[in-house]
Order: sequence, then C-alpha cells, then structure tokens
Amino acid sequence: KAGVTQTPRYLIKTRGQQVTLSCSPISGHRSVSWYQQTPGQGLQFLFEYFSETQRNKGNFPGRFSGRQFSNSRSEMNVSTLELGDSALYLCASSLGGLRGVTDTQYFGPGTRLTVL
Amino acid sequence: AQSVAQPEDQVNVAEGNPLTVKCTYSVSGNPYLFWYVQYPNRGLQFLLKYITGDNLVKGSYGFEAEFNKSQTSFHLKKPSALVSDSALYFCAVRDSGGTTDSWGKLQFGAGTQVVVTP
Repeated sequence: KAGVTQTPRYLIKTRGQQVTLSCSPISGHRSVSWYQQTPGQGLQFLFEYFSETQRNKGNFPGRFSGRQFSNSRSEMNVSTLELGDSALYLCASSLGGLRGVTDTQYFGPGTRLTVL
Repeated sequence: AQSVAQPEDQVNVAEGNPLTVKCTYSVSGNPYLFWYVQYPNRGLQFLLKYITGDNLVKGSYGFEAEFNKSQTSFHLKKPSALVSDSALYFCAVRDSGGTTDSWGKLQFGAGTQVVVTP
C-alpha cells in the first residue's frame, strides 16, 4: 500500500499570505489528523477529520482551518500567515472507526512551511 | 487531560550496547501508548504500541517497550544499538477515557535525541 502523501513538501510564503496544504491518506483510512512541529513547541495537534467532519480540534487560532473530502483526502489552510507559523506540518491517517482511540496513526513526510 | 514526559533530551550510547529511552505518562482512563521515530527531514515512523495485554511489546527494527502501570512508564528498549538508530524518538499517549478530546489526537512527548557512536 502506498503511504501517506503530502504536497507540497516545501513552501516559502511571506507574512499576511495564506497557504493550503494537502494530504492523501492511506487507502481505506478515513481519519486524517494534522500536527504542527516546531523546535520550541514540539508536536502539537491541530485537528482531526473523519468522514468529512471535524471531530476534534486543538488549541490553535481560527486562522488554521481544514476540511476533508469524500475520498478522505484532506487540506489545511492557514490564513494571514505570521512568522511563528513557520513549522513542519504533518498529517497522519488512520482507520478511524469507533472513535479510533486504539488506532495507529501513520504519518506523511510533512510540509516544511517557511514564513518570511 | 493526558500528558507525556520524556525526561532525557538526549541519550548517548555506543554501538552494540543496550539502548533505553524513557517515557512516563499521565491519563485519567487507561492509556494507549505509542513510540515513533523521526529521521531528519522525514515524518514520524511507527515503531510499536501498547493497547492491552502483555506488558512487553515487540515492534519494528528490534525495538521493544515495557508497560509498567504502577510506575506509569513505557520505556523503549533495544538490546544492541546500531549507528543507524540515531534519530529523534517520540513517545505518545491517547487516553481511553472516552472524551472527545482523545479522538484522532495523540499527545506527544518532547522527544529524545538518540546518538549512537561507532
């Protein structure tokens, strides 16, 4: 099976712009979770989508949003970029049924976002 | 609330020696515990998980972990380390407590950098 794919791998944006990141889960996986990884804050949970519905959300401002499509592919959007949004954005997919609490999450390679 | 602590920022070990990476957790219900490894400029790779049953869990690449409920620990171990094991290791927990806070979310520790010298 193909793994989780994320596009693009690298992005450079300037403050105030917006950005959209894409994630394609493993075939058959219906849950997609997004994480932000920075040297200072580590790995922080952004949100999770299952069957096109956001089931859980982390403690991030409303500038961070996401969506999931009927084929389980997911996108996240960050509007009005700030310098502090520079990070590695990771998505993870899992089966997701029955709340998915025992599921293993499989991660993509990440999108490295640099905000200048 | 769920939390994870990895008390060591870095672990140094000589190739061929045993490797241990420590992890302690805090959850309100039963813990579901995971270990991941991250190589430079890569995503996280799953190593192993504990859900229930045998306290000793075997995973990929010769790694294993021991669940200790009384000490709320889930230490990662490898009997003989390789130079190629040098990477960043993350412990993660998900609370079985059933609240929506745990859905789709892993709570990660800060990570432990493992350096294996030849």
